[in-house]
Amino acid sequence: QLQLQESGPGLVKPSETLSLTCTVSGGSISSSNYYWGWIRQPPGKGLEWIGTIYYSGITYHNSSLESRVSISLDTSKNQVSLNLSSVTAADRAVYYCARARRIAVSQYYFDYWGQGTLVTVSS
Amino acid sequence: EIVLTQSPGTLSLSPGERATLSCRASQSVSSSYLAWYQQKPGQAPRLLIYGASSRATGIADRFSGSGSGTDFTLTISRLEPEDFAVYYCQQYGSSPPLTFGGGTKVEIK
Repeated sequence: QLQLQESGPGLVKPSETLSLTCTVSGGSISSSNYYWGWIRQPPGKGLEWIGTIYYSGITYHNSSLESRVSISLDTSKNQVSLNLSSVTAADRAVYYCARARRIAVSQYYFDYWGQGTLVTVSS
Repeated sequence: EIVLTQSPGTLSLSPGERATLSCRASQSVSSSYLAWYQQKPGQAPRLLIYGASSRATGIADRFSGSGSGTDFTLTISRLEPEDFAVYYCQQYGSSPPLTFGGGTKVEIK
C-alpha cells in the first residue's frame, strides 16, 4: 500500500524559506510511470498546484510561484522535497504531496495523496 | 492556461437523490484529460474519475463522469451519507500549468 507522509516546520517566518519533505513508502519514486507533485490549499479555499517532478529530475512549476519554488528528489531516501522561498502570509496553507500517474509528457493526474501538513507564516 | 469553472458552488440535496456537478473549461481539454476528486473535511482529496469517465480503483459505481471538449459532468446516481463533501475537477491535457476548478460543495438538505 503506497503511503506518502509530509513533514517539516509548521511555522515559518516571513521572508524565509518553507521546506517540506514527502517520504514515500510502499513504492519507488524512481519509477518512470509516475510524477511526484506538490499541491497546496489555503484554509477554506480550493486546491492550487505548486509543481511536479519526474524521476529524471525534470520539473514543472506553477508560473505564479515559479521563481520561488524548488522541487527535488532524494532517491536514496525515497523522498520528494519542496522549497518555497520568500514566504508571506499568503503562503499559509495545507501542503500536500501526491503521486501522479503519467499519461504522457507533462500529462498526469494525482492518484495518491499524503494527509497534508499545515504551514503558517508568522513572525 | 485553462481555467476550470465548477457549478453550482453549493448543491443541497437529500440522501438518495441524484447529484449532477458541472465543470466547464475555458478551452478544449485535449483527449478528455480531466479528473474529479472528492475531499471531506480534514482529509486529503481522493481521486474518483480520470480520463473524464474512468472510475479510479475502489470507487463505487454510483459515481460516473462524462463529457468532452469544454463541458464535463460528475454524476452521483444516489447520494449516500458519505458522499457529502467537496468535489474538484482538474485538467491535465494542457499542462503546465495543471489547473483545478474552484470546487462544488455537496451538502445535506
